[in-house]
Amino acid sequence: EADIYQTPRYLVIGTGKKITLECSQTMGHDKMYWYQQDPGMELHLIHYSYGVNSTEKGDLSSESTVSRIRTEHFPLTLESARPSHTSQYLCASSRVNEQFFGPGTRLTVL
Amino acid sequence: GESVGLHLPTLSVQEGDNSIINCAYSNSASDYFIWYKQESGKGPQFIIDIRSNMDKRQGQRVTVLLNKTVKHLSLQIAATQPGDSAVYFCAEEGGGGGATNKLIFGTGTLLAVQP
Repeated sequence: EADIYQTPRYLVIGTGKKITLECSQTMGHDKMYWYQQDPGMELHLIHYSYGVNSTEKGDLSSESTVSRIRTEHFPLTLESARPSHTSQYLCASSRVNEQFFGPGTRLTVL
Repeated sequence: GESVGLHLPTLSVQEGDNSIINCAYSNSASDYFIWYKQESGKGPQFIIDIRSNMDKRQGQRVTVLLNKTVKHLSLQIAATQPGDSAVYFCAEEGGGGGATNKLIFGTGTLLAVQP
């Protein structure tokens, strides 16, 4: 098991709410990633980070934002949740090539 | 743009049989490929990887084959077990190279193992 954690695992929230999805890893990896995945579909990269104070947008446009103040922590924030944000969000980290994934947060916006 | 796709969205096999999951990629410059297994409600788990300077790599009950000529990747699972039931994704490293290790994922294949 990889040492990467996500909270909450499940979140049901109303439209317009601000939410933050937490991701932490204890492996000391510099690179971290956020993916969005709809059920049974491929993973789409929405954000990534090379290291502290480095963040980049991924291949899939997302209204979410991220921050990387500490190596081990890479939270994702939605300022105003909408039903179109309903999805699974997966966090990952890597040192070289292999990415280790967290268990994911399943977000439902009503 | 770059893309990675799987030929079969669903594969049903009998317990004990060998499984073969296929994947096509489009970026001939990709030099690293990974197979992940994702069980229901969990994040993807690493199975096996291969670099472009190899055409075959074996792990425990799994083998990955890489055919660069036709840009094809396959995952072979020997003696498939019920615990192998999951969605399998191939991914290639592309766009940014080694600095970012960005992976491009294909559409998953659901492997259903029948007892």
